[in-house]
Formats: sequence, C-alpha cells, structure tokens
Amino acid sequence: GDSVTQMEGPVTLSEEAFLTINCTYTATGYPSLFWYVQYPGEGLQLLLKATKADDKGSNKGFEATYRKETTSFHLEKGSVQVSDSAVYFCALRGGGADGLTFGKGTHLIIQP
Amino acid sequence: DAGVIQSPRHEVTEMGQEVTLRCKPISGHNSLFWYRQTMMRGLELLIYFNNNVPIDDSGMPEDRFSAKMPNASFSTLKIQPSEPRDSAVYFCASSVNSATNEKLFFGSGTQLSVL
Repeated sequence: GDSVTQMEGPVTLSEEAFLTINCTYTATGYPSLFWYVQYPGEGLQLLLKATKADDKGSNKGFEATYRKETTSFHLEKGSVQVSDSAVYFCALRGGGADGLTFGKGTHLIIQP
Repeated sequence: DAGVIQSPRHEVTEMGQEVTLRCKPISGHNSLFWYRQTMMRGLELLIYFNNNVPIDDSGMPEDRFSAKMPNASFSTLKIQPSEPRDSAVYFCASSVNSATNEKLFFGSGTQLSVL
C-alpha cells in the first residue's frame, strides 16, 4: 500500500538557519503530495502541495519539489524563524484514494 | 466560518467506560475524516464519510470502535469499552469533496486518556 517516510525528529536549528526535512514516498500511480504543519495544541494545517512531477509547492517561505525519479518531496526553507517551530507532516493522496496517507511527522525546534 | 469543531478537547476516563467524541465539520463540506495520532504510529486514518455515508472503515482498529454521521453537520466516534491503549489524540477533518478537493481542514483534536 501507499506509505510516506520522513526523517525522525526532533530537528533543532538556530534562527536564520537553512532547513531541509526529507520525505520519500511509495505509491502506485501518480499521487498528489502535501506538507501539513501542526502548531502546539492545534490541528494540522495545509502548508503546501504539488499534484504532478516537477511541480514546486511554496508557501510562507517554504518550498518542496515533486521529484518522481527519486520519489521524494523534501521540505526546504532558506531562513527559519522561531515561529516555525512545529511538527511537519508529509502526506500523499494516491490515485483513486480519498484519504491522505501521512508520515509520522518531524518535530522542528528553532532556537533564538 | 468557525472551522472544524471537536468536543471535548480533553477526555479522561477509566478502562471499560464508553467514550464519545464529537465533530462538527465546516458547513458545505461533503467529506469527513476521523484520524488518530499517537507517538508510535503517527496519524492513522480510521474512517471517512462522503455525503454522510461511510466509505472506508478499514482503519478502525477493532469492533469496539464505531462512527456515525447522522447528518451533514455532525459526526461521532464511539469507543465501547475503552482501553488504555486507546489513549491518543483523535482528529476530525473535513473537505469540500474528497474526490476533487484535496485540502483537509482539521479540528483541534480530542486528547483522550484512558486510565
């Protein structure tokens, strides 16, 4: 079945550092790919998405490119802020499926 | 719009008791999802509904779990009897249409602790 693997956390960085959170997936067909973010005490919120190969999703300074050849969708940000501290989930929606399959989440901690 | 509303925010109960979690999706959304979040397994899809009809409940862990959606604005997830291993955060999410719109809107979750 479909699955998503993302790097274990927590990831701890200093403010203004460069961020990469790795995500790889296994799916049949051509899935849509997503990054969701969960702030403390809240539900998940969609951060960005890409629906086909080579698409780049971007939002709030975060970017991720759909790489079909490496089945990856790594999340990047050039300069992180303390307010980016949260748990980040990579997810996919497989062809014909209605629910999303989520990775286990990566806890990001940004120190001032 | 108030977003997806879940209640209660926190529930502490004793093993063997019945637990009912409630969800009000965003008005106009036709699809509703129940997820469970634990440290060990991350986010797991338990069940989802399209137009109030359960479509896939293969994620429901046991017969002790049941979910209903009697109308477009309300859903419940019931655990009877509850067990300590059911302790988790349960999220409800809704979307306009699961087949054509992929953005899920999540509630704030119910933190369940079964002692």
